[in-house]
Amino acid sequence: GIQVEQSPPDLILQEGANSTLRCNFSDSVNNLQWFHQNPWGQLINLFYIPSGTKQNGRLSATTVATERYSLLYISSSQTTDSGVYFCAVRDDKIIFGKGTRLHILP
Amino acid sequence: EAQVTQNPRYLITVTGKKLTVTCSQNMNHEYMSWYRQDPGLGLRQIYYSMNVEVTDKGDVPEGYKVSRKEKRNFPLILESPSPNQTSLYFCASSLTWKDEQYFGPGTRLTVT
Repeated sequence: GIQVEQSPPDLILQEGANSTLRCNFSDSVNNLQWFHQNPWGQLINLFYIPSGTKQNGRLSATTVATERYSLLYISSSQTTDSGVYFCAVRDDKIIFGKGTRLHILP
Repeated sequence: EAQVTQNPRYLITVTGKKLTVTCSQNMNHEYMSWYRQDPGLGLRQIYYSMNVEVTDKGDVPEGYKVSRKEKRNFPLILESPSPNQTSLYFCASSLTWKDEQYFGPGTRLTVT
């Protein structure tokens, strides 16, 4: 089956810093989503992005399907950005990466 | 408000006592799914449903049952819970199987 790898596994940044999270996948996929799991455990949709680039405030994402990767950019980090970021891809079933744990220091 | 709801949000139970976690969505979505999340193992799919009366196994279906009698509801049934089913459970739905998924708030289950 498809393998999904996220990097880095952990990231600690000072408030105000920018970051790039990466999601690599091993085969063609039908779609790709980015989620944020906040410290209370809730999974929040960030982007549905099978290809191309999208932006939402300080967050943006780019998926290059032909090269099998997606990037999530977070600019001007805030402490509320802390948590785990997952990408999930879909062929005939949904596969989640192991996530990137982001900790923003005040 | 468009949403996926789950109940209960927290549950502590004992081995062997049957339980049901409910899931409901108000978006008229065809596809619904259950996941469990465990430290070090990430999110894994338990069961999914492409539409009413159509359900199928995910990656970790053992010990679970589901039903999809109506479009909006997709309950997860644990007939005889065991401690290894202690986990954080999420229900999700999407318009069709390939569309954007929306997750419920999660149910934290502890089986002693």
